[in-house]
Amino acid sequence: KNEVEQSPQNLTAQEGEFITINCSYSVGISALHWLQQHPGGGIVSLFMLSSGKKKHGRLIATINIQEKHSSLHITASHPRDSAVYICAVRGNYGQNFVFGPGTRLSVLP
Amino acid sequence: DADVTQTPRNRITKTGKRIMLECSQTKGHDRMYWYRQDPGLGLRLIYYSFDVKDINKGEISDGYSVSRQAQAKFSLSLESAIPNQTALYFCATSDPGWGRISTDTQYFGPGTRLTVL
Repeated sequence: KNEVEQSPQNLTAQEGEFITINCSYSVGISALHWLQQHPGGGIVSLFMLSSGKKKHGRLIATINIQEKHSSLHITASHPRDSAVYICAVRGNYGQNFVFGPGTRLSVLP
Repeated sequence: DADVTQTPRNRITKTGKRIMLECSQTKGHDRMYWYRQDPGLGLRLIYYSFDVKDINKGEISDGYSVSRQAQAKFSLSLESAIPNQTALYFCATSDPGWGRISTDTQYFGPGTRLTVL
């Protein structure tokens, strides 16, 4: 069974800090998805990865296929980054994504 | 206008009632999904549909049914609601990205908060 774990579960940071959120999974995957859930509940896609690294603005996502691990980094964090960050993976032989429990980030001014 | 819409956004109902949650999309995607989210748990797949004639059970389909009325519409029904179906429900769509490495990026609706008393 494909398990997805995220750490930390909760994270509080001061504005401007560098943030790292981790995701680990148990089986070979074809894709990994990072999503952001706003305090109001809406969910938006941030990145889809199958290898290497992607960057969008202050967000960077990396994946290490051999170690079955991905990280989401936020540089120069801002209070508007406060949200739940969700990692989801699709197994090599699976059609659908399995979601992690999320990491709740609070960035204080 | 939102690409994926859900109605209602909030619903309070009583045990035993039949409830329908509706999802519409303007993204032109063939693939549609229903998920539920409970506090402390990841999103869990209830049902999914890869085209109008295709319906598949997900991880937690017991107590739910779905209808894919058109490419743009995917409805979730709770035939006889029970309190442990109290949750946040999300509809999503995706595009498998034919001709290139499949991405299947998920596009989510705003969610429906359902409370079963």
